[in-house]
Amino acid sequence: EAQVTQNPRYLITVTGKKLTVTCSQNMNHEYMSWYRQDPGLGLRQIYYSMNVEVTDKGDVPEGYKVSRKEKRNFPLILESPSPNQTSLYFCASSLSGTGAVHEQYFGPGTRLTVT
Amino acid sequence: GNSVTQMEGPVTLSEEAFLTINCTYTATGYPSLFWYVQYPGEGLQLLLKATKADDKGSNKGFEATYRKETTSFHLEKGSVQVSDSAVYFCALTRSTSGNTPLVFGKGTRLSVIA
Repeated sequence: EAQVTQNPRYLITVTGKKLTVTCSQNMNHEYMSWYRQDPGLGLRQIYYSMNVEVTDKGDVPEGYKVSRKEKRNFPLILESPSPNQTSLYFCASSLSGTGAVHEQYFGPGTRLTVT
Repeated sequence: GNSVTQMEGPVTLSEEAFLTINCTYTATGYPSLFWYVQYPGEGLQLLLKATKADDKGSNKGFEATYRKETTSFHLEKGSVQVSDSAVYFCALTRSTSGNTPLVFGKGTRLSVIA
């Protein structure tokens, strides 16, 4: 089954404790992206990756890191989480980030709470 | 910059009622437009899309027409069901050096009651 998976689905942590949210897709997609969803703000892009070893900032990258060492994986890293990073996070992927417009497939979301 | 504005929710309808969720956009160039749906506890799913002016996207009884003259992409369904209860997001793509992030509206929660 074609899908985007994220782990963990729920996470409660404390300020300053490094964490990683994993994202994996099995569709051989080149383009992957992270969004955060906050009430009243909709979804905003954090980082994206056009392909392996190619990543760049989205609209709200502060406090986050990403890596793309393999095509299928695109982990989101919070080196020193803060309470303002409490949010619902979605990973998405699509065939390509260029050329024709391709559908983006979303993971189920990771609800993060930082106390 | 590019942005999407959609009607505030929540919207509560009786089963078989007609649904309209308004969406307007501001964008440079010619964006592609989307409606995504988020069912409780799930990620977003593409509902329909339109890539150029006057295109009509349709799926599962939902429709939306890309209106360049009014910069709108309103979502409609003739007869809603309880199973349509979800949050609906209007979105557009902008292309900047190859990145195609989705720019989302804030979402409209729809509740359909039997």
